[in-house]
Amino acid sequence: GESVGLHLPTLSVQEGDNSIINCAYSNSASDYFIWYKQESGKGPQFIIDIRSNMDKRQGQRVTVLLNKTVKHLSLQIAATQPGDSAVYFCAEINTQGRRGSTLGRLYFGRGTQLTVWP
Amino acid sequence: GAVVSQHPSWVICKSGTSVKIECRSLDFQATTMFWYRQFPKQSLMLMATSNEGSKATYEQGVEKDKFLINHASLTLSTLTVTSAHPEDSSFYICSARETPLYEQFFGPGTRLTVL
Repeated sequence: GESVGLHLPTLSVQEGDNSIINCAYSNSASDYFIWYKQESGKGPQFIIDIRSNMDKRQGQRVTVLLNKTVKHLSLQIAATQPGDSAVYFCAEINTQGRRGSTLGRLYFGRGTQLTVWP
Repeated sequence: GAVVSQHPSWVICKSGTSVKIECRSLDFQATTMFWYRQFPKQSLMLMATSNEGSKATYEQGVEKDKFLINHASLTLSTLTVTSAHPEDSSFYICSARETPLYEQFFGPGTRLTVL
């Protein structure tokens, strides 16, 4: 869910290491999840998504894991590079259910500041 | 993917003036556009949702008379910050989606500084 007002947790890794960024979501009705990357002074950029009927999805150097039992999402970045330094947000969406209220609305998580050291 | 632009990318204004920010979908028709505000080192906070041709729906705590939203066409939405004050200084981001489901495309953001 939204975490406005809370400062971002941070993660520092060495270049070449794998990074794991975690996210807890709040709405058990959410059935679609997205990870975004936001570089300083820019808008969020789509990285990878996953639907609730899956528990794992892989992209290029990134893997998203979904654990619906504990409402937990993680983003794994393999061989992290300096260019991966950014804030990473998870977002949850309810694509079903009653229209007009929260249907289709993105709820952003807290975000994690990833810093990659050379 | 689809492209969303914002203009201006940054703006500095005096306290008490009004500022208009534009959000455009460049290669698709956006039935719905969203406006977010982001303070430093914080998450994105949804301010309002606008559907083309109808009034915007504001989130709780967002003053609709202060943040005027117009979504007059399928490719353009505007956010006007009226009588801006220093506490309105923030990063404003819009997003747009074509289908009534979920995929949103984000603009690059507008940095507003009110002196």
